[in-house]
Amino acid sequence: GENVEQHPSTLSVQEGDSAVIKCTYSDSASNYFPWYKQELGKGPQLIIDIRSNVGEKKDQRIAVTLNKTAKHFSLHITETQPEDSAVYFCAATRDRGGSNYKLTFGKGTLLTVNP
Amino acid sequence: GAVVSQHPSWVICKSGTSVKIECRSLDFQATTMFWYRQFPKQSLMLMATSNEGSKATYEQGVEKDKFLINHASLTLSTLTVTSAHPEDSSFYICSAITSGVPSSYNEQFFGPGTRLTVL
Repeated sequence: GENVEQHPSTLSVQEGDSAVIKCTYSDSASNYFPWYKQELGKGPQLIIDIRSNVGEKKDQRIAVTLNKTAKHFSLHITETQPEDSAVYFCAATRDRGGSNYKLTFGKGTLLTVNP
Repeated sequence: GAVVSQHPSWVICKSGTSVKIECRSLDFQATTMFWYRQFPKQSLMLMATSNEGSKATYEQGVEKDKFLINHASLTLSTLTVTSAHPEDSSFYICSAITSGVPSSYNEQFFGPGTRLTVL
């Protein structure tokens, strides 16, 4: 089955700096890679995702890059703000037609943005 | 985006009792719902996949008789923790996939979670 490794487990940055979180996956058939932000006591929220036919995707201050050959993908947050502080999870899965597919999650990264 | 709700948001119960958690898709129909369990400072662990009108598929190591899942309609799935014990205390999160979008989208919408504490 799929295995997703995520690094670092904790990341502390100063407000305004950039933050980068990296994930690797093992199943070369995986083709959908979402990133989730989870605040304390809440459910995960999708912040950005990328499919295997795309190398990079950007949404304002957030970007994700994918290297299929190396089987790794990264989350980039620029101009970090204190409200970006949360736990971020990467995940991977195959596209099995929209149902009965399972996400494999990384172990999470606790991001702290210091004012 | 699509909204998924959970009820209750938190529950405290005595050991040996059963607890039911509801997961609802509010503005879309969900053919498939997932139930996760999350311990403090850990990742989400998939417990089971629930398809409307059929039996849930449980992950290895998850007790079917302890965690009863019912997906009776396209907008509601329930998780019942039977004969709960302190080790069942955890954060339970559901998610849902819409049936009305192209199959390649694969986006899961997560509920806000339910904190279960068993005394």
